[in-house]
Amino acid sequence: DAMVIQNPRYQVTQFGKPVTLSCSQTLNHNVMYWYQQKSSQAPKLLFHYYDKDFNNEADTPDNFQSRRPNTSFCFLDIRSPGLGDAAMYLCATSLRDGDQPQHFGDGTRLSIL
Amino acid sequence: GQNIDQPTEMTATEGAIVQINCTYQTSGFNGLFWYQQHAGEAPTFLSYNVLDGLEEKGRFSSFLSRSKGYSYLPLKELQMKDSASYLCAVRAPSGGYQKVTFGTGTKLQVIP
Repeated sequence: DAMVIQNPRYQVTQFGKPVTLSCSQTLNHNVMYWYQQKSSQAPKLLFHYYDKDFNNEADTPDNFQSRRPNTSFCFLDIRSPGLGDAAMYLCATSLRDGDQPQHFGDGTRLSIL
Repeated sequence: GQNIDQPTEMTATEGAIVQINCTYQTSGFNGLFWYQQHAGEAPTFLSYNVLDGLEEKGRFSSFLSRSKGYSYLPLKELQMKDSASYLCAVRAPSGGYQKVTFGTGTKLQVIP
């Protein structure tokens, strides 16, 4: 089945130690999104790619970076994680920019020690 | 800016009918999505409205009134597995593209 896959499901890192979360998709969708979701809060859009075009949300901290080397893969890099960055990170894809429903991966739950 | 409001929590009995509401105030509007999210899992798509009225889709229909900035998700014949958060998300123009903004969700608890 075509899907969105996030690895790992659970990630533990140390305060200030860089961490990378990965997302891959077999849906061949143009758009890939990264969301941060904290407990009982709405998913918060960090950035998204429309094909190779990168769109950063104005309030996304500089500490968060992203790479999309090809259609299938997208990475979220957190350069110096702080305790406030502990959250569920959700990757999603859609066929067009906001026009189609987003398909989410299972998420990576990030813990900071 | 975008403002999306949903009740925080609801409780209903197995087999009953419940209506989950969403009101929004956005700069522009190009559609509204409903997602279901079980605890610790990713959101899954339920329904989408772009025109006024009821969009029928099996157990997960949804209603939209654009003039009132209002949508609801009627859930019939509730099952225990329907215990989840229900997220309303609005699509609107933002900075040259169409952005989907999520509400904080309504946590529904179905009791026997």
